[in-house]
Amino acid sequence: DGGITQSPKYLFRKEGQNVTLSCEQNLNHDAMYWYRQDPGQGLRLIYYSQIVNDFQKGDIAEGYSVSREKKESFPLTVTSAQKNPTAFYLCASSMSRGYGYTFGSGTRLTVV
Amino acid sequence: DAKTTQPNSMESNEEEPVHLPCNHSTISGTDYIHWYRQLPSQGPEYVIHGLTSNVNNRMASLAIAEDRKSSTLILHRATLRDAAVYYCILRDMRGGDDKIIFGKGTRLHILP
Repeated sequence: DGGITQSPKYLFRKEGQNVTLSCEQNLNHDAMYWYRQDPGQGLRLIYYSQIVNDFQKGDIAEGYSVSREKKESFPLTVTSAQKNPTAFYLCASSMSRGYGYTFGSGTRLTVV
Repeated sequence: DAKTTQPNSMESNEEEPVHLPCNHSTISGTDYIHWYRQLPSQGPEYVIHGLTSNVNNRMASLAIAEDRKSSTLILHRATLRDAAVYYCILRDMRGGDDKIIFGKGTRLHILP
């Protein structure tokens, strides 16, 4: 079955360490997105990519980095510059603007 | 980006219809109206989307006002599994930035 896979589901890291969250899709979608969700809040856009080798900052890109070397993959690195990295991270993909998003099941990152 | 306004929470009895409202008074002619729902600790799930005409699918119906400044997601017969946060968003079908913002949505409580 086609879908979007995020791994791992839970991730623990020490403060000051960089960490990379994986997002893979086999839906042949052109566009991919990373969102952050804090408890009781909506989703905030971190980065998005509409085509391979191109990506744009969302509203809260500081302290994060991404790459889009393959259509299927859009990894997110949470760097030590991110002041409050503990959150629920969601990856999504979309075929085009006339269609909906497909979301992954999320990665819950806890920095201690 | 055009914004949407939704009530923070709603309640409904099981097996009764639910009407979830969304206001989008600044909608442009090329904005699609999308609805998603999110269960606890999961990624959002696509529900339905439309442009001008009312839409039906196996999950729900979408009623769009004639002036497109508001819409209503209709769950015809609520079950306990429909308890979730429902998000209404606008997505421009033209090119350019695709920075979609998910607000806090409406938390739907289903009473048995």
